[in-house]
This record gives sequence, structure tokens and C-alpha cells, in this order.
Amino acid sequence: GAVVSQHPSWVICKSGTSVKIECRSLDFQATTMFWYRQFPKQSLMLMATSNEGSKATYEQGVEKDKFLINHASLTLSTLTVTSAHPEDSSFYICSARELAGEGDIQYFGAGTRLSVL
Amino acid sequence: LAKTTQPISMDSYEGQEVNITCSHNNIATNDYITWYQQFPSQGPRFIIQGYKTKVTNEVASLFIPADRKSSTLSLPRVSLSDTAVYYCLVAGREAAGNKLTFGGGTRVLVKP
Repeated sequence: GAVVSQHPSWVICKSGTSVKIECRSLDFQATTMFWYRQFPKQSLMLMATSNEGSKATYEQGVEKDKFLINHASLTLSTLTVTSAHPEDSSFYICSARELAGEGDIQYFGAGTRLSVL
Repeated sequence: LAKTTQPISMDSYEGQEVNITCSHNNIATNDYITWYQQFPSQGPRFIIQGYKTKVTNEVASLFIPADRKSSTLSLPRVSLSDTAVYYCLVAGREAAGNKLTFGGGTRVLVKP
């Protein structure tokens, strides 16, 4: 299957700093990428849909000024957690959508573990 | 978005076949059924996708009845490394709305 690379895999930062997470589709172009958040023992929660060349669409309850998304190319989307606080500590996962015949498939990155001190 | 319901957990033994059934009563005409596997601290891994009848790949089989209100993921001869959470998702394609809404998934524990 297609490969999605996510970087970094793990980051620790101080409260108040900003953290950028990159998501790349390595062997296909993705006009649409998605960002998820997952707390321990819970399921993935969709945060936003990232569209190449346009503004991201955020899910209800997700602060767009807090979680800045940029999708500057067909293979790269970034999520910046601004002024991070301990409650932002979580596992962040991106996915990229590949059209596959009649359906389409989202391929996921390995995830980024964010710990805010 | 069609809601899915699947067992919270299942136990099995090495070498057995594991079948996980997912209910999606309000699936739409243009919705596809997709299954993912997730290990702790990793992103979900695509297993299989189908629209109707039966789909098989090198990893699993997906059985979808004619009414499409449910689907069954079949994992043949599981091993310890198949212990994971398995998610069933239903979503449309492109403009029809293909956001994935993850439910709780099924925790499969494979015992020796």
C-alpha cells in the first residue's frame, strides 16, 4: 500500500511553545489529508481536513487558531500546535487519501506523540 | 456518516480464524466499508476495503451481504502479532463525503 511519513514521531516541549508536525505522502499525491488526535485507550478523533491550496476544514470544537494546518503541496501537510499546554499532550496522527478505483483509501502516518511539560 | 457497531473485544488462539462482524444499518448507497488495524502507539494500517459481496487479499477477507447492513472481517490463522484493535469504517467517496469516523473498534487478543 501507499506510504505516509509523519515526523517527528515523538516530541517533548515546554508549555507555551509551538510544535510543528509534518505529514508526507511518499509515493502518491494527496489533495486531501486528515489530522486526528488519539488519547490513551480511546479511538481516533478527527480534528480537521487539510485541502491542498485551500483552507483546512475543522471539526466542531477544534480551535483553528490553536491547531494551524498548512497543505502547501500535494505531498505535504503540516500541523502546528501553537502555544502548547499540557492538555494538548496526545497522540497526533495524519492520513492521506489515495483514490483507488471505485473507492478511496486513507493511509495513515505512524503518529506523533506530543508531551507538553 | 453511517455509524458502525462492532464488538468491544474478542479473544482467540494462535492458528484460529477470527471473524469480526460490524453493523452499519444506515449505510448509504455510495458508502464503502473499510477495515483498519492499529497497534499501540502506531497509526492505523489499512487492511481491506469493499463495497459488496466478498473481497479477499493476502491478509484478510471481507464478507458483505446483499443488504450491506453489516460486514464481517475474517482473519485466517491468526498469530500473536495479530493482537491489535480493528476498526470498521463506512464512508463515501470524494464529494460524497469521505471523512472517516472511528468508533471504538474491536480489541482482538490472540493467545498462545
